[in-house]
Amino acid sequence: RKEVEQDPGPFNVPEGATVAFNCTYSNSASQSFFWYRQDCRKEPKLLMSVYSSGNEDGRFTAQLNRASQYISLLIRDSKLSDSATYLCVPGSNYKLTFGKGTLLTVNP
Amino acid sequence: ETGVTQTPRHLVMGMTNKKSLKCEQHLGHNAMYWYKQSAKKPLELMFVYSLEERVENNSVPSRFSPECPNSSHLFLHLHTLQPEDSALYLCASSQGLAGEGYEQYFGPGTRLTVT
Repeated sequence: RKEVEQDPGPFNVPEGATVAFNCTYSNSASQSFFWYRQDCRKEPKLLMSVYSSGNEDGRFTAQLNRASQYISLLIRDSKLSDSATYLCVPGSNYKLTFGKGTLLTVNP
Repeated sequence: ETGVTQTPRHLVMGMTNKKSLKCEQHLGHNAMYWYKQSAKKPLELMFVYSLEERVENNSVPSRFSPECPNSSHLFLHLHTLQPEDSALYLCASSQGLAGEGYEQYFGPGTRLTVT
């Protein structure tokens, strides 16, 4: 089983759509969880941390289910600028483990 | 954004060359990392330094040699590389060790081509 599995994508959505990303992780000892976004040929940028109770940052909502080892990200009212690859990143001890990511393209 | 800087941004080197990648963080962080990102692959962790001590060498070939002279600077020394080492090399830093809840911030990367 891969350490991090994400929706293979790609996702193509119109502006204003709601889009959901799903992720499962295999390491039950994971203690911290993040979503990053990565634009083409650029470095990953932290989007948000994910907390056990779930958390929201503007149009972005992240959920964590430790029992199922599942993380999700919901983007509401998507913008053209949301087009990027979204990376699910659990962490344990000193390291973060990056998934392959899911490519999102938001179309006008 | 200039929190984590990397030089050079692009590097082309022959297999017999020796070169070094440099990373500097201006965030007052205590941990620094090197990652490799090959085309269509996830980021691979190479090295982790915490308070200038190496805490992880993730089975990286010896042709890659890290150096962390202080908590703000990290180098990756390269010698006798192979064409398959061509990739984007990313440096990152965090206040404490990533995985313990500390957010990690990346530099823009060095795009390396080995000919």
